[in-house]
Amino acid sequence: GDSVTQMEGPVTLSEEAFLTINCTYTATGYPSLFWYVQYPGEGLQLLLKATKADDKGSNKGFEATYRKETTSFHLEKGSVQVSDSAVYFCALPDSNYQLIWGAGTKLIIKP
Amino acid sequence: GAGVSQSPRYKVAKRGQDVALRCDPISGHVSLFWYQQALGQGPEFLTYFQNEAQLDKSGLPSDRFFAERPEGSVSTLKIQRTQQEDSAVYLCASSPRDRGGTDTQYFGPGTRLTVL
Repeated sequence: GDSVTQMEGPVTLSEEAFLTINCTYTATGYPSLFWYVQYPGEGLQLLLKATKADDKGSNKGFEATYRKETTSFHLEKGSVQVSDSAVYFCALPDSNYQLIWGAGTKLIIKP
Repeated sequence: GAGVSQSPRYKVAKRGQDVALRCDPISGHVSLFWYQQALGQGPEFLTYFQNEAQLDKSGLPSDRFFAERPEGSVSTLKIQRTQQEDSAVYLCASSPRDRGGTDTQYFGPGTRLTVL
């Protein structure tokens, strides 16, 4: 079945460092791909998405490119801030109604 | 406008008690999802409604779990005879159309259930 694999956390970086959080997937066809973020004490919210191969989703300085040849959707940001500390989830919809989620990657940014 | 709200935010139950968790989706949203999130893990799908119709309940872990959305708006997740393994955060999400998981989902803050 469909699945999502994310790099394990926590990922600890200094402010202004470059961020990559890896996400790879297995799926039937070419589903939309999502990154959701969960800030401390808050609910999940959509960070960005891409609906087809080679699309780049972007928001708040974060980017991710839908790569069908490597079945990846890695999340990147050029210069992280303390306020980016959160848990990041990669997800894709399966052939029915479900979102299939990665386990989440906790990001800690130190000043 | 208001987002998705859930109540209660925290619930402590003794093993064997029944609990009811409420979700108020964004007004007019067609799709409604329930998820279970264990500590340190991603959400696990429980069930999906399109308006009042429960189209997928394949993720409900046992027949002690029951969900309804009788008028196509507010939804209730009921857990009967709670067990310790039911302790988790229960998330509700809604989306505007009938596209299932392919649409952006808007999440509530969750209900943290602790079963003693």
